Amino acid sequence: DVKVTQSSRYLVKRTGEKVFLECVQDMDHENMFWYRQDPGLGLRLIYFSYDVKMKEKGDIPEGYSVSREKKERFSLILESASTNQTSMYLCASRTLQGVRAEAFFGQGTRLTVV
Amino acid sequence: KNEVEQSPQNLTAQEGEFITINCSYSVGISALHWLQQHPGGGIVSLFMLSSGKKKHGRLIATINIQEKHSSLHITASHPRDSAVYICAVSADDMRFGAGTRLTVKP
Repeated sequence: DVKVTQSSRYLVKRTGEKVFLECVQDMDHENMFWYRQDPGLGLRLIYFSYDVKMKEKGDIPEGYSVSREKKERFSLILESASTNQTSMYLCASRTLQGVRAEAFFGQGTRLTVV
Repeated sequence: KNEVEQSPQNLTAQEGEFITINCSYSVGISALHWLQQHPGGGIVSLFMLSSGKKKHGRLIATINIQEKHSSLHITASHPRDSAVYICAVSADDMRFGAGTRLTVKP
């Protein structure tokens, strides 16, 4: 019963391509997050969204944008992929409401930019 | 200084040992998460807690809100517990510690 689904496990793209990473959750969570994970640097927040059409920059938003047109879907966009964006990308969703407070994580997308 | 500090960074134990991983944080939080990540695998949420203690099988998580500190304990450790354990805090967003790499030897 997968709750947070990322569209791809592995992705190889060329420098300069526009890349879309999709994340879908089926739990009606308000908050969604995109992180990247790099050796020695841990998980760093790129963007997050409190609710539909809302977005906030995290620690490393440069080179990325996001879209949240529907509550269940949060997309990370690399406008012009570069080799330094080769990384593992992780999506998460969360609700903090009362007894339903919970967070779930996707399986990750390993992106290689060549 | 990272808002979420974990210790130790690396931990090697013999099968059957009792293991403790610590997490300290410096911000006000709504909840704290303990996560597990196996090599090449995704992240699994083990616990989400905002007070007291939770237990699931051989895993126990505690949190002291006043001291801004949480611990994850593994009793009777097993080689299949080998993984990276990550502490994360929920405030306005979610912030992660650097992780503790646990290796349990048979």
